[in-house]
Amino acid sequence: KQEVTQIPAALSVPEGENLVLNCSFTDSAIYNLQWFRQDPGKGLTSLLLIQSSQREQTSGRLNASLDKSSGRSTLYIAASQPGDSATYLCAVINSGGSNYKLTFGKGTLLTVNP
Amino acid sequence: GAVVSQHPSWVICKSGTSVKIECRSLDFQATTMFWYRQFPKQSLMLMATSNEGSKATYEQGVEKDKFLINHASLTLSTLTVTSAHPEDSSFYICSARIPPRGVGDYTFGSGTRLTVV
Repeated sequence: KQEVTQIPAALSVPEGENLVLNCSFTDSAIYNLQWFRQDPGKGLTSLLLIQSSQREQTSGRLNASLDKSSGRSTLYIAASQPGDSATYLCAVINSGGSNYKLTFGKGTLLTVNP
Repeated sequence: GAVVSQHPSWVICKSGTSVKIECRSLDFQATTMFWYRQFPKQSLMLMATSNEGSKATYEQGVEKDKFLINHASLTLSTLTVTSAHPEDSSFYICSARIPPRGVGDYTFGSGTRLTVV
């Protein structure tokens, strides 16, 4: 059974700092990995999707890397802003099956202080 | 584009009553919908997968007679929590795959906060 772990559970940084969020998964037979953002009491917004054959994806100040063999992914946020404050969730889709279900980590609660 | 509208955003109900949550795909046809439950400081846990026109597939440990899922059309899926109890209080979120884009392209509803008193 796939298990996804995110470290740290919470992180508080001053504005402008670069930061790294970590995600690990136990079963490396994944189809892809996604990073999401969740604001309090809201749904999820997809940030980056990395296919299993890719090593990284970038969008603006965000960069996500994937090391499938070691079961790890990192989300790098450059020049953090207070608006980046949210919970960041990592999720994987395992290969096989017809519905491609997502398995989520518990998330990292990020607070960027002005 | 590819928006899923989820209603209600929050609901309070008395123990023993039933509550229905709706998810509508506004600008695409959602052949598959996923229903998740999220407890405070926990990850999203998949409850069931519904495919239009067929019975939902429930994850292990989820009571299908308690959480009724209907996906009668390509744009609407509903989750009914029957005979709700306080332990059913949680945040429920639906999700749909976005066709014809690749696997893993999902859109999420805004969630429903259910409080059973």
